[in-house]
This record gives sequence, C-alpha cells and structure tokens, in this order.
Amino acid sequence: AQSVTQLDSQVPVFEEAPVELRCNYSSSVSVYLFWYVQYPNQGLQLLLKYLSGSTLVKGINGFEAEFNKSQTSFHLRKPSVHISDTAEYFCAVTFSGGRDDKIIFGKGTRLHILP
Amino acid sequence: DAGVIQSPRHEVTEMGQEVTLRCKPISGHNSLFWYRQTMMRGLELLIYFNNNVPIDDSGMPEDRFSAKMPNASFSTLKIQPSEPRDSAVYFCASSWTGLSGNTIYFGEGSWLTVV
Repeated sequence: AQSVTQLDSQVPVFEEAPVELRCNYSSSVSVYLFWYVQYPNQGLQLLLKYLSGSTLVKGINGFEAEFNKSQTSFHLRKPSVHISDTAEYFCAVTFSGGRDDKIIFGKGTRLHILP
Repeated sequence: DAGVIQSPRHEVTEMGQEVTLRCKPISGHNSLFWYRQTMMRGLELLIYFNNNVPIDDSGMPEDRFSAKMPNASFSTLKIQPSEPRDSAVYFCASSWTGLSGNTIYFGEGSWLTVV
C-alpha cells in the first residue's frame, strides 16, 4: 500500500536561512510526487510536482524538491526563506500509469519563520 | 477560470441541525473530491467522484454524512444531524482525469462550527 510520511510536524527557521522539509513515501509501483502549500485560512495549492525526467524539480516561490528513488524521498528545499513562506506544506503521492486520481497526502509540516 | 467555488465559507450551527456544503468544480474537470481538515486528524479524504459517480466513499465517517453530484458542475456534502465533533474545515477539490499526476485544485474551504 502507498503511504506518505512527513517526518517533521513543525519546522522553525530564521528568515533568510535555508530550509528543508522532509518527505518519504512507500510504494510498490512507480509514483508521481507533489508538494502542496496551504497559507493561513486558505485552501491547498500546488507548489511543484515530479512526474518523470530530471529528479530536481523547481516550483513556485523559489522552492525546489529532489526525487530520490533509492531513498524513496522527495524533500522540499528553499535556500533562503521569507516571512511570507509561513504556511503548512503537504507532501502527496499518487500512482503513475493508472487512471486513479486518488492522491494520498502526508500529515503536513508547519513552517514557522522567525524574524 | 474562477477556480473551485465553495459555499458557505463559514457556518455556525447548533448540534442536531442539518448542514449542507456546496461545491462548483472547475469547468471541464471530471473528478471531484471532498476533504475534511482538523488539527487532530489532518487532511482526510471523505469521498471522491469521477464523471459524477462516487468511486470511493470509504472516508465518509458515518451515515450522518452523505454526498451527491447530480451533474458535472455541482456537488453537495450533507451532515444530518450535525454534532460538535463535525467542526472542521471542509474542502472541495477537482481535477481532470485521464492521466495520473494531474494537479488537484482546491477551493477555499467551508469552515464549519457546530455548537
């Protein structure tokens, strides 16, 4: 069965410092991987996704993630965070090659930016 | 495009009352999802439809919850009777099927408080 684990429920980081939000998945088949962001009092929106090709994926707002098949990881990184990055970040996975749109979300990581 | 539209944005109701949440998916999308988000349980998939047909309702908590999709542009989630533990943010989301890895678009959410 597929599953997604976000190892940190909260991550505090100083403004302009780098950040990494960790995500590991479990699947017996190939996967598509996503990061969604939820700003306060809003719905989720897509930050970036990995479907195939280059394992380094660039998204909006300066975020990027790297797919590591051997480690079954898809960690999210940003070299320098801003106060506006305060949000909850969700890693998600779905099957590849199928028609099932069911997507499995992790429990989320709250990013706290410290001044 | 206006995105996924949900109503009401906020609702406060008394225990025992019927609650109806409404959703208009993005035009052209043929998958629709209802999620519930709470601090304790995170983001939970309640039900999803494909081409107006319920595909997986295993996340619906109990018989008090029901969802319908009478046509491609409208869905409802009903709670009858409501209980305080139903207080949560309910998100509707939609996507286009045919390819795994497609983006799911979320509405702004309906914030429900049952007192």
